[in-house]
Amino acid sequence: RKEVEQDPGPFNVPEGATVAFNCTYSNSASQSFFWYRQDCRKEPKLLMSVYSSGNEDGRFTAQLNRASQYISLLIRDSKLSDSATYLCVSRGNTGKLIFGQGTTLQVKP
Amino acid sequence: NAGVTQTPKFRVLKTGQSMTLLCAQDMNHEYMYWYRQDPGMGLRLIHYSVGEGTTAKGEVPDGYNVSRLKKQNFLLGLESAAPSQTSVYFCASSYRDRAYEQYFGPGTRLTVT
Repeated sequence: RKEVEQDPGPFNVPEGATVAFNCTYSNSASQSFFWYRQDCRKEPKLLMSVYSSGNEDGRFTAQLNRASQYISLLIRDSKLSDSATYLCVSRGNTGKLIFGQGTTLQVKP
Repeated sequence: NAGVTQTPKFRVLKTGQSMTLLCAQDMNHEYMYWYRQDPGMGLRLIHYSVGEGTTAKGEVPDGYNVSRLKKQNFLLGLESAAPSQTSVYFCASSYRDRAYEQYFGPGTRLTVT
């Protein structure tokens, strides 16, 4: 079983839609979580951190549920430029990052 | 400020050949990493370095060697390439106290035939 699991999608949504991705993690010792964004054939970039209290950055909201061991990312009012692969990432007590395989989002006009 | 650069961008090797991938960063980051990315597998850590002259194994180190002789450079070597090493290789770097925020290079697409 992968330590961080995501539905690979693709998620196809129209512009303006709200879309949510979930991610589950198996290591209860994982200390912190993040979402990275990767455009097609490009390098990953940090999108945002995830806190138990929730973290909002503009149209993006990330949430952590430690009891159920899942992380979510909500994107409101989707833009064409949001089309990308979103990588769920955990950081354990070793300090190393563990990446999920990514969820692909395609926003259509 | 170039950030993280990788050389080469593309390479085709025959089985058994060797090569070195070069990563350079100009952000004075202490930590550097090498990952490979394969379809359906996500990014997997090959080796990493927490400082000049130090390296450590990651999740999938077999078949690879690394060296960090200078703080700004991190080399990844394949001594005898195998088709299973066909992948996209990403180098990344970070500050020691913000290791969750890794800056990635553009990647090297390697095909081993």
